[in-house]
Amino acid sequence: DAGVIQSPRHEVTEMGQEVTLRCKPISGHNSLFWYRQTMMRGLELLIYFNNNVPIDDSGMPEDRFSAKMPNASFSTLKIQPSEPRDSAVYFCASTAGLHNEQFFGPGTRLTVL
Amino acid sequence: GNSVTQMEGPVTLSEEAFLTINCTYTATGYPSLFWYVQYPGEGLQLLLKATKADDKGSNKGFEATYRKETTSFHLEKGSVQVSDSAVYFCALSKEYGNKLVFGAGTILRVKS
Repeated sequence: DAGVIQSPRHEVTEMGQEVTLRCKPISGHNSLFWYRQTMMRGLELLIYFNNNVPIDDSGMPEDRFSAKMPNASFSTLKIQPSEPRDSAVYFCASTAGLHNEQFFGPGTRLTVL
Repeated sequence: GNSVTQMEGPVTLSEEAFLTINCTYTATGYPSLFWYVQYPGEGLQLLLKATKADDKGSNKGFEATYRKETTSFHLEKGSVQVSDSAVYFCALSKEYGNKLVFGAGTILRVKS
């Protein structure tokens, strides 16, 4: 298996632009998680889906952030408009649910200028 | 609520030294417990896990024992290597399909 796939790996954009991060979970996994990691705040859970349905989005910082999972093999995290304080590494993870062992993707490093 | 507390880092050790990274948790019932490792520039990887009290998880020379009486899951390794330098995260999960609760992470630096 290829593992969790994220794209792009690096994104540099200017303040105010829309940013879309993409994630392909491991085939057969039924839960998907979006995390943000910064030096200041560490690893934060933004939102997670179970069977393509958003279960908990309490970690989404503002209305500028939105996430979708149109099918079991694809999810997006969108930031519109982006701000410099959104600069971070964004991770996607998936799990089959058994004992909640999560498999992480390599992350997308976002820089908003 | 559920929470995980890890010892603050960075932890700096010489090669072949003994490692302990403390982790304690707060949760009702019987959570599953995990240690994840993050190498520079990479995502988190599961290092080991334990799903019930007194279980010992082990992998790559690392060990951790699920101690319900002390609500702890300390990570140990008898002889660290430079390649063990990474950030280590302790985590718990309460329910099937539910989210993980992570500790803040502990930076480990091993010097040759």
